[in-house]
Amino acid sequence: DVKVTQSSRYLVKRTGEKVFLECVQDMDHENMFWYRQDPGLGLRLIYFSYDVKMKEKGDIPEGYSVSREKKERFSLILESASTNQTSMYLCASSSLAGGRNEQYFGPGTRLTVT
Amino acid sequence: DQQVKQNSPSLSVQEGRISILNCDYTNSMFDYFLWYKKYPAEGPTFLISISSIKDKNEDGRFTVFLNKSAKHLSLHIVPSQPGDSAVYFCAASASGNTDKLIFGTGTRLQVFP
Repeated sequence: DVKVTQSSRYLVKRTGEKVFLECVQDMDHENMFWYRQDPGLGLRLIYFSYDVKMKEKGDIPEGYSVSREKKERFSLILESASTNQTSMYLCASSSLAGGRNEQYFGPGTRLTVT
Repeated sequence: DQQVKQNSPSLSVQEGRISILNCDYTNSMFDYFLWYKKYPAEGPTFLISISSIKDKNEDGRFTVFLNKSAKHLSLHIVPSQPGDSAVYFCAASASGNTDKLIFGTGTRLQVFP
C-alpha cells in the first residue's frame, strides 16, 4: 500500500511566520503535489514536482514555495504566513508507470494562521 | 474559471437507495476522469476512474458514466450505505498532461438509515 505522510495534522502559526509543511511518500513515486482544500472551492493545486529538484507552479502558487531535495520528500513553504493561508493542506504522489494512475493523498495538515 | 464543476454541494439519500453524484466539465481536452472520496480529517482516497474511450465503468456498488457530448459524468452508488457518507470529488486530466488533475468543488453525500 502506498503511504503518504504529512509532518503535522494540526498547526497554528502567527501572521508573518515562516511555515514548513513536510510530506513523505514511500512508493518511489516520481510525482508529488501540494493542494489546499477550502469550502466551496474544492482542491486547488499549489505546486507539483516531476522529479528531484524539479518544480512546477500550479494554479495558486502565490505566497508559497516548495523544495524537493530527495525523491520521497516534498516540502511546502509559506515564507510569511498570512491569515488567508488558513486552510487544509494536502500532499499527494503518483507514478506514471504503467499508464494513467491516480494520485495518493496524505491525511492533510489543518493550518490556522492567527 | 472552474473547468470541473459539481453543482450540487450536498445530497441526502436513504440507505439502500441509489445515490447519483454529478460532474460537468468544460475542457474538451480532458480524457480521463476520476472520483475520490474524502472523510473528515482524512485525505481523499481514489474510488473509480474512466477513460474517454469508454462510457461506463463499474466496480462493485460504484458505477461511473461518461457522456462526452454533454461533457458530463456521474457516479452511481447502489445500494447506498451509511459508510458512504463523505465528500466526493470528481477530477479530470488531459492527455499530454497526465500528471495533473483538475478537481471539482465536491459534493457532500449523507446516507441516512
